[in-house]
Amino acid sequence: DAKTTQPPSMDCAEGRAANLPCNHSTISGNEYVYWYRQIHSQGPQYIIHGLKNNETNEMASLIITEDRKSSTLILPHATLRDTAVYYCIVRDKDPGGTSYGKLTFGQGTILTVHP
Amino acid sequence: KAGVTQTPRYLIKTRGQQVTLSCSPISGHRSVSWYQQTPGQGLQFLFEYFSETQRNKGNFPGRFSGRQFSNSRSEMNVSTLELGDSALYLCASSLLSGEETQYFGPGTRLLVL
Repeated sequence: DAKTTQPPSMDCAEGRAANLPCNHSTISGNEYVYWYRQIHSQGPQYIIHGLKNNETNEMASLIITEDRKSSTLILPHATLRDTAVYYCIVRDKDPGGTSYGKLTFGQGTILTVHP
Repeated sequence: KAGVTQTPRYLIKTRGQQVTLSCSPISGHRSVSWYQQTPGQGLQFLFEYFSETQRNKGNFPGRFSGRQFSNSRSEMNVSTLELGDSALYLCASSLLSGEETQYFGPGTRLLVL
């Protein structure tokens, strides 16, 4: 699976959009971009994933650049409860062998939402 | 639909003991993966089970083992506990082995004294 790079921390004002970047310059054509978040001491929570096109769900939007080398997770109206560590993960579409069931987590971005 | 459940939520053991943690996946999910999370190493993959078979294993010593039952419930066992095994142990389930989206449980926090 390709490696991802995220800023270690970001701040956002409550009610504003939070834009979390992720670089994955070595991504291959059959790899998805996944986003999870983890609120302190809880299990990671799935947010969204995408392959090529931009995606939106009730939690967030995912913008993937045309060359797929980077992406941005957008929380449109951040709240205090969105304070968490956000993980960007690249995952093979057709895993096999040593990739079965394995998500490779990096250090993530600590997002702090301020009142 | 109920989420992934893990029991117990908290556990205190002493060095040398062994421990068994349990995970019940989301109904209908057949794959269960286990992860260890520590402040120093972050989230690390332990192993994945699908249809009662281990499909993949991370880089952990043989003291860490697991199994999966016919109802997809899974257990992991750590024998001869060491202080460094203190961690949050997370279980995640997905519909099929290799299926993209894994859903995590709340974790079991293990403290080894």
